[in-house]
Amino acid sequence: EVQLLESGGGLVQPGGSQRLSCVASGFSFSGYAMGWVRQPPGKGLEWVSGISDDGVAKYLPDSVRGRFTISRDNSKNTVHLQMNSLRAEDTAVYYCAKFRGGTRRTYHFDSWGQGTLVTVSS
Amino acid sequence: QSVLTQPPSVSGAPGQRVTISCTGSSSNIGAGSDVHWYQQLPGTAPKLLIYGDNYRPSGVPGRFSASKSGTSASLVITGLQVEDEADYYCQSFDSSLSGDWVFGGGTKLTVL
Repeated sequence: EVQLLESGGGLVQPGGSQRLSCVASGFSFSGYAMGWVRQPPGKGLEWVSGISDDGVAKYLPDSVRGRFTISRDNSKNTVHLQMNSLRAEDTAVYYCAKFRGGTRRTYHFDSWGQGTLVTVSS
Repeated sequence: QSVLTQPPSVSGAPGQRVTISCTGSSSNIGAGSDVHWYQQLPGTAPKLLIYGDNYRPSGVPGRFSASKSGTSASLVITGLQVEDEADYYCQSFDSSLSGDWVFGGGTKLTVL
């Protein structure tokens, strides 16, 4: 059974940093791209980062590029999201998700963690 | 403003059929990118419901189906059940700028 367990959420001040981690189990971690999707309270889903199975290719939308960094450690079955220069609008539940699909055009998220809440407030 | 447009809400009575639309553009659905659908029950993480336009993962009931045409896609739920009350999101890949993976704004399904 695929399991994704996020950690690292909490309260952070505007302009601060936070590092989220996701430990995966139940599948061959090094064989799959991984990503993060966030959901502000009461709102919809927004993809915020993706990383290839080997960690070489990294993808970020304009809304977080230059502030967020994704990385992975295949020896520890872990993916990280480093978030800097945080803003109030970054407040959300952050989900770790496993990508599935043959190409970027077909990629979807076939497994999700339970999410970790990041609150950016003074 | 989401790249993919969904109606904010739909409703139906138990046993009925409901359709949720997802409208994109020539840079995503219209470019041939696959459309996927997720179900999010209250207070839980999203769950993959449909992938690759119209394929159901193991365990998803056959009451759920989907289709795609042009720049739009649709999720159809037949034989509506009370436990289907949830938020539904479509997702695709956008090839413009840095869109990459994009979601619809979500549709709240209420079972009357």
